[in-house]
Amino acid sequence: SQQGEEDPQALSIQEGENATMNCSYKTSINNLQWYRQNSGRGLVHLILIRSNEREKHSGRLRVTLDTSKKSSSLLITASRAADTASYFCATDKGSARQLTFGSGTQLTVLP
Amino acid sequence: EAGVTQSPTHLIKTRGQQATMRCTPISGHTSVYWYQQALGLGLQFLLWYDEGEERNRGNFPPRFSGRQFPNYSSELNVNALELEDSALYLCAGGVGATILHVYGYTFGSGTRLTVV
Repeated sequence: SQQGEEDPQALSIQEGENATMNCSYKTSINNLQWYRQNSGRGLVHLILIRSNEREKHSGRLRVTLDTSKKSSSLLITASRAADTASYFCATDKGSARQLTFGSGTQLTVLP
Repeated sequence: EAGVTQSPTHLIKTRGQQATMRCTPISGHTSVYWYQQALGLGLQFLLWYDEGEERNRGNFPPRFSGRQFPNYSSELNVNALELEDSALYLCAGGVGATILHVYGYTFGSGTRLTVV
């Protein structure tokens, strides 16, 4: 089965609300990263959290990591229409430099 | 500073043909990573090149190949195209494990390959 599963698969919220996406993975990791993809184009790196960190903030983004549950969550506060995109988590577990991506959450923020 | 550039943006090929696409990383980045994003399969790791050498390969058949040039740009070739090779091919640049572990990877906008 696939390493890195996000839920929900799709999320629709009103502008100004918070959006929470979850990611689960199966093996030990060095770090976990979150990326955004607009309309099937390139990925934009949002935030990286190391395996020895539990929480990290960057602007309106808050990421948590629970290595005992092998899960992470991405919270986007005060969402904007421009946040509409697909969000992917990706795990990096070693020197192979091979990211394993989840299946993604499609976020739609309604104006 | 220019980001990671990929060309062409779109590519339409017939089954059995060969497809070639290019990636130029950010200046100073010596590694290039290729990923395939096929509908329904998500993003999957293809290849990693560093300093001109193939360092790691994902679970793809040998007809997926590539190379890295002395200027660190890279080329991905897909031979004997099959319909299921239709996908968005993304490349990412990077340098050094320390930088990657802090800043993540920098991706290009991708080449969309359609096999008919």
